[in-house]
Amino acid sequence: ETGVTQSPTHLIKTRGQQVTLRCSSQSGHNTVSWYQQALGQGPQFIFQYYREEENGRGNFPPRFSGLQFPNYSSELNVNALELDDSALYLCASSLGRGQNTGELFFGEGSRLTVL
Amino acid sequence: AQRVTQPEKLLSVFKGAPVELKCNYSYSGSPELFWYVQYSRQRLQLLLRHISRESIKGFTADLNKGETSFHLKKPFAQEEDSAMYYCALQGGSEKLVFGKGTKLTVNP
Repeated sequence: ETGVTQSPTHLIKTRGQQVTLRCSSQSGHNTVSWYQQALGQGPQFIFQYYREEENGRGNFPPRFSGLQFPNYSSELNVNALELDDSALYLCASSLGRGQNTGELFFGEGSRLTVL
Repeated sequence: AQRVTQPEKLLSVFKGAPVELKCNYSYSGSPELFWYVQYSRQRLQLLLRHISRESIKGFTADLNKGETSFHLKKPFAQEEDSAMYYCALQGGSEKLVFGKGTKLTVNP
């Protein structure tokens, strides 16, 4: 069984640039959630994808967008980067609606630094 | 609004001592509560959830709806329990709302 993998592990961008983070879900999982974790904070929900459709969104501006592919892997895109976007971005997969909800399987995260 | 509060940022105990990590929540409906743990150099993982009412690694947590609390307890802490602990709430949607976390250090 393959766990959740994220890429890249670290990256540095400058203000105004765009970034794409990638996530491969755990085998058998059709739901992917993205979380932002700033230093000293708990993970904050960005959005979730279930079977290629957005299934809930947190309090993040539209410049945070996502995508889920037919193989259930996912991307998080952030446009017009701001300094406050510097954080660890966590991807988590799960079995999806009505099945063992609440148990998320996390990746190791992508650490984004915006200069 | 859904909110999870973990009042202690840091908690330090000695091996063999009891430990309690506090979690309070705010939610108008009937929530599902979880504890997630992150050991050093490992990824965040589920420790336990209130609906299963089980003990994992000696830890238990009881949902107290009157006090809106879901404290995590262990009668005898071990050094390997040192980790970051996050309380999380799921209420009526698929998202989890996490607290800011408590760093537990168990000293020898």
